Amino acid sequence: DAGVTQSPTHLIKTRGQQVTLRCSPKSGHDTVSWYQQALGQGPQFIFQYYEEEERQRGNFPDRFSGHQFPNYSSELNVNALLLGDSALYLCASSPGGGAEAFFGQGTRLTVV
Amino acid sequence: GQNIDQPTEMTATEGAIVQINCTYQTSGFNGLFWYQQHAGEAPTFLSYNVLDGLEEKGRFSSFLSRSKGYSYLLLKELQMKDSASYLCAVRDRKAAGNKLTFGGGTRVLVKP
Repeated sequence: DAGVTQSPTHLIKTRGQQVTLRCSPKSGHDTVSWYQQALGQGPQFIFQYYEEEERQRGNFPDRFSGHQFPNYSSELNVNALLLGDSALYLCASSPGGGAEAFFGQGTRLTVV
Repeated sequence: GQNIDQPTEMTATEGAIVQINCTYQTSGFNGLFWYQQHAGEAPTFLSYNVLDGLEEKGRFSSFLSRSKGYSYLLLKELQMKDSASYLCAVRDRKAAGNKLTFGGGTRVLVKP
């Protein structure tokens, strides 16, 4: 059983560009959450998707948007990239109402 | 909102015991999680406490006191592979699904 998979693993973008990150949840999980983790800090909640809708959102600007597909996979889009968006982006999946969240390996985004 | 505090760094000797404290303030509480994160890797689930008391799982134990807003993670018989960051995270009662608020993480260095 594959766990949570994210792609790509590493990405370098230029300031002002747009980026799309992808996540496939663990089998049987229908809820996907995205987190941003700056170096040396804990993950910060961006938003969560359930039944193809954004169910909750953290304190992130509208430049951060997402989508969930019928197969529960998800995308995170970031527009107008800033240097400060450089971070590890983590996807976590869980079964609806489940306690434990399983994390993917993350996508390391570097904005130059 | 929520506020979670944990020490930034701790050092211990192989074979010893280390206790990582976590204090939290939240408008509503619905569970506390501990995750382990090795450098460059995904956080992996260690423990979940929702009721007061001690949960033991092999060399790792986690304690919760809801009235004090306090938890600790106890690592026994430390091994070199236990060198990692340990993340304390709280789930908000008002939050649907599995939104987690993380502390900054405690980096544990195990020395021979």
